[in-house]
Amino acid sequence: AQSVTQLGSHVSVSEGALVLLRCNYSSSVPPYLFWYVQYPNQGLQLLLKYTTGATLVKGINGFEAEFKKSETSFHLTKPSAHMSDAAEYFCAVSEDGGTSYGKLTFGQGTILTVHP
Amino acid sequence: EAQVTQNPRYLITVTGKKLTVTCSQNMNHEYMSWYRQDPGLGLRQIYYSMNVEVTDKGDVPEGYKVSRKEKRNFPLILESPSPNQTSLYFCASSIRTGSMQAFFGQGTRLTVV
Repeated sequence: AQSVTQLGSHVSVSEGALVLLRCNYSSSVPPYLFWYVQYPNQGLQLLLKYTTGATLVKGINGFEAEFKKSETSFHLTKPSAHMSDAAEYFCAVSEDGGTSYGKLTFGQGTILTVHP
Repeated sequence: EAQVTQNPRYLITVTGKKLTVTCSQNMNHEYMSWYRQDPGLGLRQIYYSMNVEVTDKGDVPEGYKVSRKEKRNFPLILESPSPNQTSLYFCASSIRTGSMQAFFGQGTRLTVV
């Protein structure tokens, strides 16, 4: 069975500071990993995803994430936070095959606050 | 424009009064699913469908029903809503493979009193 743990339900940074949102996963087969962002009163929007190949993945709005198989991690980073980055972020894992075919399993979410 | 459309966006209802939340996608996706979002719990899958007339339970199916009579539509039915079903609901669709992103609707905020 697949699962996702996001460390820290709330993260607060200053504008211009590094953003680091942590995600660890568990999967019985090679995983597909995603980060989604949710702005207030909106649906989820894909930030980036890892399927195969290069382990450092770049997404929209300057975000990137690195797949580390040995650490079962997929942390999200952005070098310099902007006020518009304030939102809730969800890490998710998906698999092909077995009973989890195509299913997205989400972490608990991390609310990012950006201070001026 | 590729989109997943849910209706209504907001709904307040009373315990026991049957309701349906509609979901429609225009991307010809095979895979559709419903999630509920609760604070501190993230999104949890309620039901999913791999294609027309093929549906199965997700992680939290109790109290919900779904149907998939057409490829584009995947309504969520609450036969007898209870207050513990007060939540934010999302419909999602994707191509039938785990590597493809899911597209989400705008959400339906349901309050059961």
